[in-house]
Amino acid sequence: ETGVTQSPTHLIKTRGQQVTLRCSSQSGHNTVSWYQQALGQGPQFIFQYYREEENGRGNFPPRFSGLQFPNYSSELNVNALELDDSALYLCASSRDRGSYNEQFFGPGTRLTVL
Amino acid sequence: SQELEQSPQSLIVQEGKNLTINCTSSKTLYGLYWYKQKYGEGLIFLMMLQKGGEEKSHEKITAKLDEKKQQSSLHITASQPSHAGIYLCGAAIFLEGGADGLTFGKGTHLIIQP
Repeated sequence: ETGVTQSPTHLIKTRGQQVTLRCSSQSGHNTVSWYQQALGQGPQFIFQYYREEENGRGNFPPRFSGLQFPNYSSELNVNALELDDSALYLCASSRDRGSYNEQFFGPGTRLTVL
Repeated sequence: SQELEQSPQSLIVQEGKNLTINCTSSKTLYGLYWYKQKYGEGLIFLMMLQKGGEEKSHEKITAKLDEKKQQSSLHITASQPSHAGIYLCGAAIFLEGGADGLTFGKGTHLIIQP
């Protein structure tokens, strides 16, 4: 196990609703990245939080937003859910920014949008 | 944008046999990561390669990054049932603000036949 936890494990929502996913980073890590993995695809980078600020974003619309707290845990919020948002959402924590820092992944949250 | 292509997409190997998975990038790699994923679960870090010509081994798994840093291979020797899963290669992507998330290939599904 990596020490990165995510909640909930599974979630079912309907189109148009809003959802919040949570991630607890590994002790000593100050950077959290979020990824979306659609069925049969590799994970896609959503955004990264470093010391409580958004540090960069992939090709995702503004209805995907996030927060990082003083203890470096993080939330991913998705508004106005669409059917295509159904996916496994993964968070990864790392000791610091920088590609040389290994990213430790959590088990993921499976979101189903009906 | 950087794209990673993995081959083969799926692989069925008899237990005890050797196998190789390839990852080819459309651009120079500045950090190449190999992860393993059990179906629907989080990613387990295997290895990170950064230098051209670099080779790393862990137990029966060896990963190499070619001199031109555009291709990597993952080789498993004497495969075991525990090696079954999805193997993902990921590359560091650099965004404004200093974020460096990962972009991934679609994965190689490995099945080990007893």
